[in-house]
Amino acid sequence: GENVEQHPSTLSVQEGDSAVIKCTYSDSASNYFPWYKQELGKGPQLIIDIRSNVGEKKDQRIAVTLNKTAKHFSLHITETQPEDSAVYFCAASIGIKAAGNKLTFGGGTRVLVKP
Amino acid sequence: DVKVTQSSRYLVKRTGEKVFLECVQDMDHENMFWYRQDPGLGLRLIYFSYDVKMKEKGDIPEGYSVSREKKERFSLILESASTNQTSMYLCASSLRDTQEQYFGPGTRLTVT
Repeated sequence: GENVEQHPSTLSVQEGDSAVIKCTYSDSASNYFPWYKQELGKGPQLIIDIRSNVGEKKDQRIAVTLNKTAKHFSLHITETQPEDSAVYFCAASIGIKAAGNKLTFGGGTRVLVKP
Repeated sequence: DVKVTQSSRYLVKRTGEKVFLECVQDMDHENMFWYRQDPGLGLRLIYFSYDVKMKEKGDIPEGYSVSREKKERFSLILESASTNQTSMYLCASSLRDTQEQYFGPGTRLTVT
C-alpha cells in the first residue's frame, strides 16, 4: 500500500520567515495530494491540495509543489504569522471512488511561529 | 458549514471494557472514516464506510469493529479495550465524488 513520509517532525520559525514541509510518497498511482492543518483542540482541516496533472498551486501565503518523478511534494508558507502555529499533515490518495477515496497521511509536522 | 460531531471529547475506560465511539455528520456524505492519531505516526485509518451497512478495513483494524446503520452515523467499537488503544480518535466524512475529508474534533480515549 501507499506510504507517506513527512519531514521535519517539528519546525520553529521566526514570525515573517518562510516555512517548508516536505513529503515523499511510494505509490506512483497516487494522484491527489492534500495538506491539512490541525489547530489545538480541533480536527484537521484542508488548507490546500494539488492533483498530479499540476506542478504548483498557490493560495495567498501558502503554496504546494509536486514532483511526480521524484515522488515528493512540499508545502511552503511565506510571511509566517503566529496563527500559522499548528500541526500540518500531508496525505496522498489514488482516488478510487469505490474505495471511499482513501487518504494515506504523513506523520505530521508541528510548526511553531515565534513572535 | 459541514459539521462532524463526536460523542465525547474525553473518555476514560478500564481494560477489558467495551467502548463505543459515535460520530455523526450532517451533510449527507456517503463516505465516513475512523482514524487514530498518535504522535509521530500521523493519522492511521482504522475502518471506513462508503455506504450504509458497508464497511472496509483500513490499515489498522485489529481490535476494532464498526457499525453504520444510518447514513449520518458511524460508530467505532472497541470490543475489549486495551491500554495500547489509548489514543486520539478522529472521525471524518466526505462526499462520494470528492476527496476532501471533513473531520470531527476528536475523542481522546484513555484506557487504564
